[in-house]
Amino acid sequence: DQQVKQNSPSLSVQEGRISILNCDYTNSMFDYFLWYKKYPAEGPTFLISISSIKDKNEDGRFTVFLNKSAKHLSLHIVPSQPGDSAVYFCAASAYQANNDMRFGAGTRLTVKP
Amino acid sequence: DTGVSQDPRHKITKRGQNVTFRCDPISEHNRLYWYRQTLGQGPEFLTYFQNEAQLEKSRLLSDRFSAERPKGSFSTLEIQRTEQGDSAMYLCASSQGQGAYYGYTFGSGTRLTVV
Repeated sequence: DQQVKQNSPSLSVQEGRISILNCDYTNSMFDYFLWYKKYPAEGPTFLISISSIKDKNEDGRFTVFLNKSAKHLSLHIVPSQPGDSAVYFCAASAYQANNDMRFGAGTRLTVKP
Repeated sequence: DTGVSQDPRHKITKRGQNVTFRCDPISEHNRLYWYRQTLGQGPEFLTYFQNEAQLEKSRLLSDRFSAERPKGSFSTLEIQRTEQGDSAMYLCASSQGQGAYYGYTFGSGTRLTVV
């Protein structure tokens, strides 16, 4: 059962422009949402998170938006840099249910110089 | 602390053989997780430990798979009678507490190829 979905397998943007990565979830019990970044031959690295009591969280060039009614979140990267080229995974967990984290299939971002 | 370490990085085995992977988490983390990732997919949860107790197991974890975390430190994942469908990247992660907000710290994984 795929509770976290990333429907775009790839995204290509020009350096300096905005990258928007999208994620949808089905489990209404999820109350924490995270984005991870993964380079080849490395494990995923935590990037940014948001709890369900917020609708926006910023960290430098990275902003995550949460729309609970639509069960949708997005990651905005502004401005995009070539070093941002990686696979980005969306993940979610149900803190109150003491559950582990569930991941989407990932979106490969390519930032062109 | 050097992060989460996994050994070996790569393992090639013949179908039917047993394999064992090791994970050394960040020392102060009390939770340890095993995930499996196949090509084009995100990490899929297998099991997790809080200290030495195994608290949850996915239905993906057939009876050929067993995981241990003796003394709540390192963990091992054993696969018996390997099948070609077991070929995947096996990822270990750790966290202090549930890691819901600060995330898990992942190792670089063990890539298993069953031939």
